Amino acid sequence: AQSVTQLDSHVSVSEGTPVLLRCNYSSSYSPSLFWYVQHPNKGLQLLLKYTSAATLVKGINGFEAEFKKSETSFHLTKPSAHMSDAAEYFCVVSPYGSGNTGKLIFGQGTTLQVKP
Amino acid sequence: DGGITQSPKYLFRKEGQNVTLSCEQNLNHDAMYWYRQDPGQGLRLIYYSQIVNDFQKGDIAEGYSVSREKKESFPLTVTSAQKNPTAFYLCASSLSSSGRKGEQYFGPGTRLTVT
Repeated sequence: AQSVTQLDSHVSVSEGTPVLLRCNYSSSYSPSLFWYVQHPNKGLQLLLKYTSAATLVKGINGFEAEFKKSETSFHLTKPSAHMSDAAEYFCVVSPYGSGNTGKLIFGQGTTLQVKP
Repeated sequence: DGGITQSPKYLFRKEGQNVTLSCEQNLNHDAMYWYRQDPGQGLRLIYYSQIVNDFQKGDIAEGYSVSREKKESFPLTVTSAQKNPTAFYLCASSLSSSGRKGEQYFGPGTRLTVT
């Protein structure tokens, strides 16, 4: 069975310091992986996606993530946090294989707090 | 501007009333989805539709109904049978329901409060 685990429910950083949001996945097949961001009372916005091309994926707003198959991880990073990065972040798996219906599997979310 | 619209942004209803949430997309996407989000939780799939005039139950379909009469529209009705309807509802669409890429595009959401 496919699953996604976000290892931290809450992460707090100071403005200008690096951000690391951790995500592990479990999938029987080679999955597509995504990170989405959600600001309060808004919809989800796609930050970046991995679809079996380069393992280091660059996204919007300076975020990037590295797909590590041996560790089944897809951690999200940013070198320098900005106040506007404060939001909820979701790691998401799209399982691939026969019978794939396009359903996504969402992690529980990580709240990123950025302190001035 | 291409995208997904949901209306209204905020909706208030009395217990026992049915209510319909609107979702429209002009992205020419085949697949559409409805999710429910509760505080501190991830998203849970209510219903999804891979093609016009067809839809399937998601993980928490009880107390909800949908229709897909047009490609661009996928309204969700929250019925009086839904035990705890107060939540944030998100609609999404994707180009196709199959294949590797699978990213979904989300609307801005509707916050439903039932008292």
